[in-house]
Amino acid sequence: GDSVTQMEGPVTLSEEAFLTINCTYTATGYPSLFWYVQYPGEGLQLLLKATKADDKGSNKGFEATYRKETTSFHLEKGSVQVSDSAVYFCALSKTGANNLFFGTGTRLTVIP
Amino acid sequence: KAGVTQTPRYLIKTRGQQVTLSCSPISGHRSVSWYQQTPGQGLQFLFEYFSETQRNKGNFPGRFSGRQFSNSRSEMNVSTLELGDSALYLCASSLGEGRATQYFGPGTRLTVL
Repeated sequence: GDSVTQMEGPVTLSEEAFLTINCTYTATGYPSLFWYVQYPGEGLQLLLKATKADDKGSNKGFEATYRKETTSFHLEKGSVQVSDSAVYFCALSKTGANNLFFGTGTRLTVIP
Repeated sequence: KAGVTQTPRYLIKTRGQQVTLSCSPISGHRSVSWYQQTPGQGLQFLFEYFSETQRNKGNFPGRFSGRQFSNSRSEMNVSTLELGDSALYLCASSLGEGRATQYFGPGTRLTVL
């Protein structure tokens, strides 16, 4: 079945460090891929998305590239800030379906 | 444009009771999806409504049900509550077309005692 595997957390980084959170997926066809972020006590916010192979999604300094050959959608940021501390979820949706399959989430803590 | 709103934000119920949660989507969005978030199971899809019809359903027991009204507002009902139903219930709205982005509300935190 369709699934998303995400890097286990928690991840603790110093401010201005480089961030990578790994995400791989299993799905037939050509799913759309997403990164959502959840701040404490809040719902999910869309961070970025990509809908076809080799697309790069980007937002607020975060980037992820849809790699079909490795079925991956790793999240990267060159220089994290304390305000980036949150839980990050990788997700996919299938063509013709509107429901999302989520990874387990990765908690990121950025220390000054 | 106002975002997705969910009411109430917090609920405490006891086992055996039933509960109704409400979700108002972004104006113009016709699809509403519901998700359950727990520490053990993570985020799981419950069901999706589009134009007042259930279009997709996850793997949850029949105690979980929903409906959508003509103004696209949606309600989710859980009957005969169990301790394991304690969770954050998230609603998401979208235009409903293929690959449409889903926008989430802040969630309703349900605690079952």
